[in-house]
Amino acid sequence: NAGVTQTPKFQVLKTGQSMTLQCAQDMNHEYMSWYRQDPGMGLRLIHYSVGAGITDQGEVPNGYNVSRSTTEDFPLRLLSAAPSQTSVYFCASRLGMAGELFFGEGSRLTVL
Amino acid sequence: KQEVTQIPAALSVPEGENLVLNCSFTDSAIYNLQWFRQDPGKGLTSLLLIQSSQREQTSGRLNASLDKSSGRSTLYIAASQPGDSATYLCARVDAGAGSYQLTFGKGTKLSVIP
Repeated sequence: NAGVTQTPKFQVLKTGQSMTLQCAQDMNHEYMSWYRQDPGMGLRLIHYSVGAGITDQGEVPNGYNVSRSTTEDFPLRLLSAAPSQTSVYFCASRLGMAGELFFGEGSRLTVL
Repeated sequence: KQEVTQIPAALSVPEGENLVLNCSFTDSAIYNLQWFRQDPGKGLTSLLLIQSSQREQTSGRLNASLDKSSGRSTLYIAASQPGDSATYLCARVDAGAGSYQLTFGKGTKLSVIP
């Protein structure tokens, strides 16, 4: 099993550009989520999904969109990138409502 | 908003020493607690998950305990090795509307000196 796979690992954008961070898991997990990690701020939840077709907002959802058309994939879209969105983004998944959480390797995004 | 505190922010120990990492939280009504390890430039790796009905979990040289009444969890690492050097994060899991969400501490950066 590959676990949770994120692409790309690194990305540089200009202010105003849009892009999609991809996340895929092969563990048949119902729950998937996106976090951002910033120095001094810790990990903060952006969006999450409890199953295909169901998404909800986390702590810091502004400027991001998600969709969940399949169990395996949970892409994160930046609509109009801003320097404040420079961060490391992590996708995570788990089986069931409160099971062990598994993380991807992260996507480092720089917005100029 | 739930708070999770990890003190100290950084810790340096000589190889072979036993050590304890601390995690404290407000509000004892947590669902469960999970400990993670993060290596530089990498994602988080799950170490131990303690269910609310449990008091501790063990995996190899690691032992995590949970005391909800005092709002504390500890991660005990026996016979530390240089390969244990990493940042260790704890996260409390709470029931919310429609899902269970994690609140993370900011981590303790551990350095094990050969």
